[in-house]
Amino acid sequence: RKEVEQDPGPFNVPEGATVAFNCTYSNSASQSFFWYRQDCRKEPKLLMSVYSSGNEDGRFTAQLNRASQYISLLIRDSKLSDSATYLCVVKSYGGNLIFGKGTKLSVKP
Amino acid sequence: NAGVTQTPKFRILKIGQSMTLQCAQDMNHNYMYWYRQDPGMGLKLIYYSVGAGITDKGEVPNGYNVSRSTTEDFPLRLELAAPSQTSVYFCASDDTGYQPQHFGDGTRLSIL
Repeated sequence: RKEVEQDPGPFNVPEGATVAFNCTYSNSASQSFFWYRQDCRKEPKLLMSVYSSGNEDGRFTAQLNRASQYISLLIRDSKLSDSATYLCVVKSYGGNLIFGKGTKLSVKP
Repeated sequence: NAGVTQTPKFRILKIGQSMTLQCAQDMNHNYMYWYRQDPGMGLKLIYYSVGAGITDKGEVPNGYNVSRSTTEDFPLRLELAAPSQTSVYFCASDDTGYQPQHFGDGTRLSIL
C-alpha cells in the first residue's frame, strides 16, 4: 500500500458544483495533515491544514478520520479558479512530509 | 516579501555535467528541504536540513549533495548529471519542522 493515495482524476465539474476528494494514508503514526493546491507548472501552496474535528475555510471543508486513515476535501460552489491539482500531504511525528500524487480538478463554465 | 527564492528557473544540461541549484529564504526558517517532482508524480524529498551545518538524506538522495553553511541558503549540487535527473526541483522551508512548508517557484531541469 502506498503511503498516501489519491484518486488522480481528472474531476471535470461545472461551475457551481460540489466536488469531494479523498485520500488514504498508510502510516497510523501520522500526526499532521494538509491539503496543498498546485497550479500547472507552479509550486505547491498550502490550501488548509486538516484537524481531527474537521475544519472549514470558506467554500472548503476538510475532514479527518484517524480510525480509517482517511482525509477528505470538499469544495462547494466550484469556481473556474479552483481548477488545479490538489495534493494530500501527511506527516508523522519527527518525520517528513509525504505527498500524494494529487487529484486534478477542472472546473468548466 | 521574497519568501523562498530559487535560481535558475530553467536549465538544460548535458549528461555528465555538474551544476548547483540555488535556494535562499529570508524568513529565518531553520528547516529547509529539496524535493523533485517528476511528471504526474508526487513530490519526493531529496535532502533536508534542520539548521545551519546540519543536513540529512531524504527518500531519493542518490546523485545529489547539499550543504547548509548559513540559515538562509541551501544549495543542491548535481555532480554527474544523468537523464533520470530530469525533473522539476522545489526548495521549501518552514520554521519548526511541524508547520506547513513554503515553496519556491521551482527549477525546471532537463538533462540531454
